[in-house]
Amino acid sequence: GAVVSQHPSWVICKSGTSVKIECRSLDFQATTMFWYRQFPKQSLMLMATSNEGSKATYEQGVEKDKFLINHASLTLSTLTVTSAHPEDSSFYICSARTHDKPYEQYFGPGTRLTVT
Amino acid sequence: AQTVTQSQPEMSVQEAETVTLSCTYDTSENNYYLFWYKQPPSRQMILVIRQEAYKQQNATENRFSVNFQKAAKSFSLKISDSQLGDTAMYFCAFMLTQGGSEKLVFGKGTKLTVNP
Repeated sequence: GAVVSQHPSWVICKSGTSVKIECRSLDFQATTMFWYRQFPKQSLMLMATSNEGSKATYEQGVEKDKFLINHASLTLSTLTVTSAHPEDSSFYICSARTHDKPYEQYFGPGTRLTVT
Repeated sequence: AQTVTQSQPEMSVQEAETVTLSCTYDTSENNYYLFWYKQPPSRQMILVIRQEAYKQQNATENRFSVNFQKAAKSFSLKISDSQLGDTAMYFCAFMLTQGGSEKLVFGKGTKLTVNP
């Protein structure tokens, strides 16, 4: 089956610094990747959709200058949290899909971000 | 905008028994997909079952089946012969099939505990 990985699985950073999270599709080409945020005991909230080679489309209320998304290849998308603050502490999950099966999203294992 | 409602924040069931999780959704569109995802303590999202709105037949995957009532906009999940490994958060999700709109909208989730 299709596998999506995320790195790192857990990261702790100091307030004011930036942190990059990688999302990779290991055995398929992902034309579209999605980034979600999940607070404790809450649901997944879509942050942005990225298509390979294009600028990401952000959901309403998500600061595009704070959450930088790059989808430079068909197997890699990155989310950079810039000038992180404690309120950015959350669980970040990516998913990926191919062009021909938009109804099949494959999820990564998630990244726990803690900002101190 | 599409919305997904899960009215049961928590449920519990005895091992080997049957449990039904409820989900309703709101949309004015006619072509869409509905999903149930499982999120165990590991936080990895796992697809349980998928239903295409144009199919009248209810989807089934082993011990998991759905009751899809399109007119009522209801999409419940039945888990038969519950197992301890079914303990997890369960999210109902909706996806439009229109080009460029294939993003998932999640409900708030139901925490299911299977008791020995």
